[in-house]
Amino acid sequence: GAGVSQTPSNKVTEKGKYVELRCDPISGHTALYWYRQSLGQGPEFLIYFQGTGAADDSGLPNDRFFAVRPEGSVSTLKIQRTERGDSAVYLCASSPVRTGPDTQYFGPGTRLTVL
Amino acid sequence: AQSVTQPDIHITVSEGASLELRCNYSYGATPYLFWYVQSPGQGLQLLLKYFSGDTLVQGIKGFEAEFKRSQSSFNLRKPSVHWSDAAEYFCAVGAKGSARQLTFGSGTQLTVLP
Repeated sequence: GAGVSQTPSNKVTEKGKYVELRCDPISGHTALYWYRQSLGQGPEFLIYFQGTGAADDSGLPNDRFFAVRPEGSVSTLKIQRTERGDSAVYLCASSPVRTGPDTQYFGPGTRLTVL
Repeated sequence: AQSVTQPDIHITVSEGASLELRCNYSYGATPYLFWYVQSPGQGLQLLLKYFSGDTLVQGIKGFEAEFKRSQSSFNLRKPSVHWSDAAEYFCAVGAKGSARQLTFGSGTQLTVLP
């Protein structure tokens, strides 16, 4: 079946602008994660959804970052007043599991460049 | 909080040679452990995982990893590397309980010489 998809694959924006990044998880997966990967680093956790609610948003760096998942499927990561330091690859992952061991399946990512 | 260390930033091996990528973790109990591979412009692909039981786990593409509790390690191995294995490899640890996010190491870039 289809894997996790993310759109757009690339996004270039200017400092101060607002951006939205979209994630389509694997059908039926209840858990959805957002990570950010800076150049030369491993992914860093941002937020985790179980169904429609954000179960853990402890990784969001500040209040410019927000994410939603209104119907428990597609999620949108929203960044306000973008800064050059927000430039990174934003990865989405999904998982079918509610409890216990959890295998996360990753999408190809959205490369965000803030000029 | 858990952490992961991948001490080798870059490793170069010849095609056909054996490979071992190191991973050390810090966690208060036995964690869930993962190896992912990332090719340029691609997302992360799961190679293998350890949840419990047999400490030697087999994965895809001929990779295996061994969990050693006494050394807090989960090293990735392959007996004979292929040119297509050139990529970046990430070790990750998952906590038990309500915190479900993965904590990744900084990665090891593998170059394969012909």
